[in-house]
Amino acid sequence: EVQLVESGGGLVQPGGSLRLSCAASGFTFSNYHMAWVRQAAGKGLEWVANINHDGSDQYFVDSVKGRFTISRDNAKSSLYLQMNSLRIEDTAVYYCARDPRALPIWGQGTVVTVSS
Amino acid sequence: DVVMTQSPLSLPVTLGQPASISCRSSQSLGHSDGNTYLNWFQQRPGQSPRRLIYKVSNRDSGVPDRFSGSASGTDFTLKISRVEAEDVGVYYCMQGTHWPPTFGGGTKVEIK
Repeated sequence: EVQLVESGGGLVQPGGSLRLSCAASGFTFSNYHMAWVRQAAGKGLEWVANINHDGSDQYFVDSVKGRFTISRDNAKSSLYLQMNSLRIEDTAVYYCARDPRALPIWGQGTVVTVSS
Repeated sequence: DVVMTQSPLSLPVTLGQPASISCRSSQSLGHSDGNTYLNWFQQRPGQSPRRLIYKVSNRDSGVPDRFSGSASGTDFTLKISRVEAEDVGVYYCMQGTHWPPTFGGGTKVEIK
């Protein structure tokens, strides 16, 4: 079964850091570009970042540039999102998803809450 | 960035009746590879988004054939031929042709 499982969310103070992980299974992870998408409570979907199959290219939404980094470990079939200098407006459910152009597969999401 | 404008915001529908959701892109979504990366997603309450339609009109595996997608220029439409109770949720269009990928604001489908 093709599956993505996120972890690492939690409560953090403004200015703090979190590292999200996404474990992939059921497909050849190294063949696919991957993405992070977030959704604030009661709001719509927002693409955050994506990375190509070997990690050599990354793209970020303007609001997180310079604060977030995306990486992957193909040997572990894992995707990561390092979030630094977190702001209240970063509070959301973060989903990892396969293939940024098409997003056919999503994880269940992990909740990030930035609050003092 | 490409702006995806969805309408209506809310769509109350009678069970068994058809429903239609519109999505307009601020520019053409034709990619140089010949594809049009316009996708539709369904998000049921408390669940992750699920893709229903990819490249305008292709249904994903397991998606009932009452769901269909079409396009006319920069206008895209998701149709449900006969709404069932399990179709309640929020529907999003999304373009993947231009970077960054962008989503419509969502349409909430509810039963009258």
